[in-house]
Amino acid sequence: NAGVTQTPKFQVLKTGQSMTLQCAQDMNHEYMSWYRQDPGMGLRLIHYSVGAGITDQGEVPNGYNVSRSTTEDFPLRLLSAAPSQTSVYFCASSYLGLAGGSEQFFGPGTRLTVL
Amino acid sequence: SQQGEEDPQALSIQEGENATMNCSYKTSINNLQWYRQNSGRGLVHLILIRSNEREKHSGRLRVTLDTSKKSSSLLITASRAADTASYFCATASPQGGGSRLTFGEGTQLTVNP
Repeated sequence: NAGVTQTPKFQVLKTGQSMTLQCAQDMNHEYMSWYRQDPGMGLRLIHYSVGAGITDQGEVPNGYNVSRSTTEDFPLRLLSAAPSQTSVYFCASSYLGLAGGSEQFFGPGTRLTVL
Repeated sequence: SQQGEEDPQALSIQEGENATMNCSYKTSINNLQWYRQNSGRGLVHLILIRSNEREKHSGRLRVTLDTSKKSSSLLITASRAADTASYFCATASPQGGGSRLTFGEGTQLTVNP
């Protein structure tokens, strides 16, 4: 299994540009999520999904869109990039419905710089 | 303030010593998880403790959970230089099917050879 994969690894954008960060998992996980991590800080939840066709907002959703058309893929779209969105973005996935919850598996991250 | 706050923010110890990190949270949880992050890398899951559990062990790791005090601790025994990393606690709320995690800001552990 490849686990959770993210592309690209690095990206530089100019203010106002849009782009999509890709995330895919091959573990048949129902739950997928996107986080951002700013320097020296923990992860903050942007959006999450409990299954195909179902998405919900996290702590910091503004400026980002998501969709979940398949179980495997959960792309994150930046609508109009701003310097405040410079960060490292992590995608994660896990099973749902296990009693007491389950661990999340993280991708390697996408380092985004907005000039 | 933030759910899942770690203490201390930074910890420096010698190889062979034990390292203890603490986490406090504010709301009801389904479980509490600890993750490790090496510099510039993704997060790796260490251990999950459910809200009805009080203590859990995994190798050199020991996690405790006190739901009455809304706190948890992670103990790493006989630390090694390879344990140098940032450690995060994350609490799982009932939202998102019990999988929605809120992370603390982490403890930076340095283990000196």
